[in-house]
Amino acid sequence: ETVMTQSPGTLSVFPGKRVTLSCRASQSVGTNLAWYQQKPGQAPRLLIYSASTRATGIPARFSGGGSGTEFTLTITSLQSEDFAIYYCQQYDSWPPLTFGGGTKVEI
Amino acid sequence: QLQLQESGPGLLQPSETLTLMCNVSGGSMSTTNHFWAWIRQPPGKGLEWIASTHYTGTTYYNPSLKSRVTISVAPSRNQFSLKMTSVTAADAGVYYCARGIEADKAWSYYFDVWGRGTVLTVSS
Repeated sequence: ETVMTQSPGTLSVFPGKRVTLSCRASQSVGTNLAWYQQKPGQAPRLLIYSASTRATGIPARFSGGGSGTEFTLTITSLQSEDFAIYYCQQYDSWPPLTFGGGTKVEI
Repeated sequence: QLQLQESGPGLLQPSETLTLMCNVSGGSMSTTNHFWAWIRQPPGKGLEWIASTHYTGTTYYNPSLKSRVTISVAPSRNQFSLKMTSVTAADAGVYYCARGIEADKAWSYYFDVWGRGTVLTVSS
């Protein structure tokens, strides 16, 4: 099983600032990685797939990077609606498909 | 626009069997590059993939749950379902159905459409 580890667990950020979230895989997943955003009481929403491709309708302030075992999600100029929990998911080696434990971005 | 809607019992007693249904609207399930999945989230915790099915009936399971779960699909009714036997308090949480879309790497899927989720409480 490919274990996904996200860090840090929580990020406290001022609105308007830039933030970078990290996701590490226990073995190489190539670029077969997705990022999701989840707000309280809502389902996750796809942000990024193939490590760096924004999903339809996702603002350009969201960007993904990395390959192999190290990945990042960067949000430039944090907006109020961006405060949420972010999850990474690998889909290279499965079953099982696996998610990271999440990073909470708070004000 | 494709939409998914889960339905379930809400409350079960320990050792009972969970049956969940996902209704798919606004599109067809019979597409070769999609699969249909169940994902759960315990209260205050992260996401766990449970199982997936292709419209052809091919199924995939999380090894940690495989002995207790069965996923099935009825593309003509635009539905798929999940059964989980012998539930315990550890199975409580929100259960989501989702559409997996095939990535550039064949037979690799991420999730592009999610239902709103259905809550399961397990208590005697």
